[in-house]
Amino acid sequence: KNEVEQSPQNLTAQEGEFITINCSYSVGISALHWLQQHPGGGIVSLFMLSSGKKKHGRLIATINIQEKHSSLHITASHPRDSAVYICAVRGLIQGAQKLVFGQGTRLTINP
Amino acid sequence: GAVVSQHPSWVICKSGTSVKIECRSLDFQATTMFWYRQFPKQSLMLMATSNEGSKATYEQGVEKDKFLINHASLTLSTLTVTSAHPEDSSFYICSAKLAEVYNEQFFGPGTRLTVL
Repeated sequence: KNEVEQSPQNLTAQEGEFITINCSYSVGISALHWLQQHPGGGIVSLFMLSSGKKKHGRLIATINIQEKHSSLHITASHPRDSAVYICAVRGLIQGAQKLVFGQGTRLTINP
Repeated sequence: GAVVSQHPSWVICKSGTSVKIECRSLDFQATTMFWYRQFPKQSLMLMATSNEGSKATYEQGVEKDKFLINHASLTLSTLTVTSAHPEDSSFYICSAKLAEVYNEQFFGPGTRLTVL
């Protein structure tokens, strides 16, 4: 079992729909990242969370430390949101530097 | 947010040649830089962790003599793929961690290497 599991692996929706991508992890963490990777390959860091909730534009990220679970929500989805969304966690060990990545969720928003 | 650049964005080379990829943090000092490799439709695989002024720490299975990493300054790290072969063709991504903020990490746009 991977330390970081994302669901769904693939998601297709119509423009305007509310999107939720989930991330569950099995280790104690100091931070969780949500990343976006477009077909061209470049990665954009969307959020870094250690507790609670963050919002940026149409994107909302939440984390529940006790349940070891995070969600990424997209409101009023648009075709330009089509990308792979990756959840990554950083462990609790003092000085932990590595990120552990989920397998990614491929999101396609149709017009 | 902070910006990390990579150069070149893509490169095509002949088998047996060496290729250098640069990773720069443009507006912050990065004590730690990471090099990742990504195969099609797969997640990022950490190759090595590079701390400024010291030798890189390579992940298990990554040949340090094949993938030379130099982190000479707080804003520049380089990855050199030596004697490249077609199986080295991949997407290489660097990432830099802010010195001031422990958990913050920013990613470069990636370099697509094709070895003929």
